[in-house]
Amino acid sequence: GENVEQHPSTLSVQEGDSAVIKCTYSDSASNYFPWYKQELGKGPQLIIDIRSNVGEKKDQRIAVTLNKTAKHFSLHITETQPEDSAVYFCAARQASYDKVIFGPGTSLSVIP
Amino acid sequence: DAGVTQSPTHLIKTRGQHVTLRCSPISGHKSVSWYQQVLGQGPQFIFQYYEKEERGRGNFPDRFSARQFPNYSSELNVNALLLGDSALYLCASLQFAGGTEAFFGQGTRLTVV
Repeated sequence: GENVEQHPSTLSVQEGDSAVIKCTYSDSASNYFPWYKQELGKGPQLIIDIRSNVGEKKDQRIAVTLNKTAKHFSLHITETQPEDSAVYFCAARQASYDKVIFGPGTSLSVIP
Repeated sequence: DAGVTQSPTHLIKTRGQHVTLRCSPISGHKSVSWYQQVLGQGPQFIFQYYEKEERGRGNFPDRFSARQFPNYSSELNVNALLLGDSALYLCASLQFAGGTEAFFGQGTRLTVV
C-alpha cells in the first residue's frame, strides 16, 4: 500500500549548522511532494514542495531534492535558526488525487 | 484574507457520544480534506470533498462521515466515540481538486474520556 518513511525521527543541530531530513515513498504514481512544518499547537504549514518533473528546488535557506527512480526525496535547511525548531513532515501525493500520505515526522531542535 | 478556520479548537466528549467538527476553507477554495493526527504521528487522510461531492475516503470506519455545503464549508461527524478517536482533527483547503497545494487549519483537539 501507500507508505512514506522518514528519517531521522529526531534531529538536534547547533544554530548555524545544516539539517537534512530524508524520505522514501512507495507509490510510483506519486508526483507531488510537499513538506510541512508543524509547531506546537498549530496545524501543518506548507514550507516547500516539488513536483516529479523537477529534481531540485530552492527557496532561501530551504531546498528539496527528488530522486524519482530511487523514490527518495530530502529536505535541506541551511544556516539553521532557533525558530526552525518544529516537527517536519514529508508527504507524497498523486496530482490527480488529493489524498496526501504523510511521513511520521522529524522533530528538529536547533540549539542556540 | 482569512485562512482555514476550524471550530471548536478544543472539545471533550464521553465514549459513545457523537461529535461534529466544522471547517471553513480559504475564500475561493472549493475542496476540503479532513485528516486525523494522533499524538506523535503524521496526519492520516479521512475524507476529501470537492463541489459538495465525496472525492476520496481513507481507511476509517463508517462511524466517520462528512459533508460539504454550498458555501464550501464542511462538517466532519463521528458517531459512537471511542477512546482511540482522541486526536487532532485537521481540515485542509484546496483551491480545486487535483494538483494544488493543501493549506491546513489549526485543527480541533478532540479528547474522548
